[in-house]
Parts: sequence; structure tokens; C-alpha cells
Amino acid sequence: EDKVVQSPLSLVVHEGDTVTLNCSYEVTNFRSLLWYKQEKKAPTFLFMLTSSGIEKKSGRLSSILDKKELSSILNITATQTGDSAIYLCAYGGGANSKLTFGKGITLSVRP
Amino acid sequence: DVKVTQSSRYLVKRTGEKVFLECVQDMDHENMFWYRQDPGLGLRLIYFSYDVKMKEKGDIPEGYSVSREKKERFSLILESASTNQTSMYLCASSLEGVGEKLFFGSGTQLSVL
Repeated sequence: EDKVVQSPLSLVVHEGDTVTLNCSYEVTNFRSLLWYKQEKKAPTFLFMLTSSGIEKKSGRLSSILDKKELSSILNITATQTGDSAIYLCAYGGGANSKLTFGKGITLSVRP
Repeated sequence: DVKVTQSSRYLVKRTGEKVFLECVQDMDHENMFWYRQDPGLGLRLIYFSYDVKMKEKGDIPEGYSVSREKKERFSLILESASTNQTSMYLCASSLEGVGEKLFFGSGTQLSVL
């Protein structure tokens, strides 16, 4: 069975810290790896990584895909209280080509 | 921007009631999805649809059904609501094949008493 494992499940840091969120996957037919940020409402898209695009960056956020290790990391530098959210990792591919989500990582950034 | 609209933000229903959750997207997306989100369990796929009148079971379809009569609208139906269906329900859509970027609605927090 395809699965996605995120770690740690929760994390508390102080403003200005750098954090690394982990996502590993066991899949039968990898197609893409996506990261979402969820605050109080709808998850919002951050990055999509594929075989042709294994590293993405947007401002203080960046993500890398390691296809050999079947994992991805999401880095956030100089964290702010507005980064407090649940970060979801999902992979696309596998049986029925559906998107499979991990359980999410709850990040709390304290002033 | 793509907009995915869920008809209700909060719903309270009684055990045994029939419940309809509605979702509408305005970007002509072929694919639509229903997920539920529970603490410690993450997002789990209930049903999805690739086209009008087409539906596919996700990972946890038991106790649910869906309807897609028009391309922009995807309804989730709880035939007889039970307390274990208390959850946050998220609708999403995507333009291309599954495994591509999803656009989510704001969610419906359903409480079944």
C-alpha cells in the first residue's frame, strides 16, 4: 500500500529560527510530490516537485526532492508567526493515480 | 484565481439524517475530490470524479455517496449520518490528471449529534 510519512508530527520554534520538515513516501508509481500549507481554512499550494523539477524556492521557503531516498524536505528560514500552520505533503501517482496525503506537521512559531 | 466553494462552513446534524455537502468550482476543472480531515489521521480521500456522471471510490467510501450531474458541481451525500462521520470535509478540484495540483475549498465542519 502506498503511503506518505511526515516528521516530526509537531514542532514549536521561535521567530527567526530555521525549520526543516520531512516527508518520505513509499509508492508504486511516483509522479509528483506536493507541499501544502493549511492555516484555518483551505490548504494552499506551496510546491510541486517532479522528476524534472527536484528543487523549488519561493522567498523563505524551499523544497527538495530526493528520488533516491524517496523523500522530500521543506525548509523555512527566518520563521515568522505567520508561518504557524499545518504543512501537508502529498504524492501523486500509484494505484488509480490519486493524491495520497501524509498526516501533516503542525508548526507553531512563537514570538 | 480558481475558486472552489463549499456551501456551508459549519453544519450540525442528527444521527440518521441524510446530509448533502455541496461543492462548486468555477474554473472548468475535470477532476473533483472529496476528502475528510481528522486530527492525527490527515486527509483521507472519500470519492473522486474525472468527469460528469463519473465517480471513483477513494480510500474510505463506506457510508458516503456522491453525485456529479454538472461539471462544476460535486456533491457528497451521507445517506444516514452517524457520529463517526463528524469531521472536516474538504472539496478540491484539479485541471489535469490526478497527481497534479489540487485547489481546495474552505471546508465544511460537520458535527453529527
